[in-house]
Amino acid sequence: KNQVEQSPQSLIILEGKNCTLQCNYTVSPFSNLRWYKQDTGRGPVSLTIMTFSENTKSNGRYTATLDADTKQSSLHITASQLSDSASYICVVSLPLNSGAGSYQLTFGKGTKLSVIP
Amino acid sequence: SQTIHQWPATLVQPVGSPLSLECTVEGTSNPNLYWYRQAAGRGLQLLFYSIGIGQISSEVPQNLSASRPQDRQFILSSKKLLLSDSGFYLCAWSKDRFPSNQPQHFGDGTRLSIL
Repeated sequence: KNQVEQSPQSLIILEGKNCTLQCNYTVSPFSNLRWYKQDTGRGPVSLTIMTFSENTKSNGRYTATLDADTKQSSLHITASQLSDSASYICVVSLPLNSGAGSYQLTFGKGTKLSVIP
Repeated sequence: SQTIHQWPATLVQPVGSPLSLECTVEGTSNPNLYWYRQAAGRGLQLLFYSIGIGQISSEVPQNLSASRPQDRQFILSSKKLLLSDSGFYLCAWSKDRFPSNQPQHFGDGTRLSIL
């Protein structure tokens, strides 16, 4: 069964500190891995997308890493801000069963990050 | 620029009542469209996707259905809601085919509560 597991489930950090969120996956075949940020009551917003051949990708203060051999990814947030408080969701892309030329995203349950002053 | 709209934002419905959630996309043509459900404490679950008008594929059997009457309109429906249908429903669009390095773009969702 294709799965995406994230840790920790929740995290509280002080404003200005760094943090790292983890994602382990068993999805196969694997096309790419995405990190989304979801504010409470809103839809997810894409932060990074990495193919299996990429090791790292940055988007401002967000840096994602990928180890396709161990099937692990991490999202590192530098100099956290209060606005970083959100759920961070790891998502792996694979082809849809029907083969209609589209794809499916397998979502992790997310890590709920709270940044406090 | 492209935008995606969902409505209503919140909805409270009694068990057994019908449902209609609407999603529209602006600023693009022939998008892939998706309906997801996000239950409390669980990851997003793909319910339906569509690669064109009238073309609907279901990923999870249930009492919900979807329709795409126009290129940029996607509707999620039910004839009789169950308590288990409660959740946060998200519509998304993408402009590509697999394999893809482009993101899916999500609407702000509908919070559905069944009483």
